[in-house]
Amino acid sequence: EPEVTQTPSHQVTQMGQEVILRCVPISNHLYFYWYRQILGQKVEFLVSFYNNEISEKSEIFDDQFSVERPDGSNFTLKIRSTKLEDSAMYFCASRHRDSLTYEQYFGPGTRLTVT
Amino acid sequence: RKEVEQDPGPFNVPEGATVAFNCTYSNSASQSFFWYRQDCRKEPKLLMSVYSSGNEDGRFTAQLNRASQYISLLIRDSKLSDSATYLCVVTQRGYQKVTFGTGTKLQVIP
Repeated sequence: EPEVTQTPSHQVTQMGQEVILRCVPISNHLYFYWYRQILGQKVEFLVSFYNNEISEKSEIFDDQFSVERPDGSNFTLKIRSTKLEDSAMYFCASRHRDSLTYEQYFGPGTRLTVT
Repeated sequence: RKEVEQDPGPFNVPEGATVAFNCTYSNSASQSFFWYRQDCRKEPKLLMSVYSSGNEDGRFTAQLNRASQYISLLIRDSKLSDSATYLCVVTQRGYQKVTFGTGTKLQVIP
């Protein structure tokens, strides 16, 4: 069964450093999403991406965040200058354009720890 | 008022019990509704979509009440494997804006 993959599974970085979180969505999916979940809190929407551009973003997704689909398979989230409060689990998800159920398939997540 | 509100629980129920969760949403323009489950430190997984007519999948029944802006999930004959956090998800703008509730924790006890 096809699945969304994410790398790395755990990233430790120092405050102020840039990180890039990588996702490989399911191959025939056209809609891509990033979410974050701070430990013990709810899943928060960051951004949705379609047709090589951002279609929606939340207030969390400020100038320190960016997304890119550099090639036909990867979808990345860059955090330019990490803060302690960026420590969270980051989930990537993808959806098929024609999905009648709008089901999103989530990757296993990257745990980001900012020290 | 929160966009999507759920009782965090925990709901502790014995095996075989029936349990129901509710979720309320504040944006009347919300278009699509879902229940996801999330196991500890894992990714959310779709449990079921929720339709106005109500829908059933085995032991699970979901209902949507647009007038009162709530959705519900009923689990019959609870199994130990149902222990998880159940997330209410609401979308707007063609499913491009997605809002999760805080989740309701269910613990099924032997």
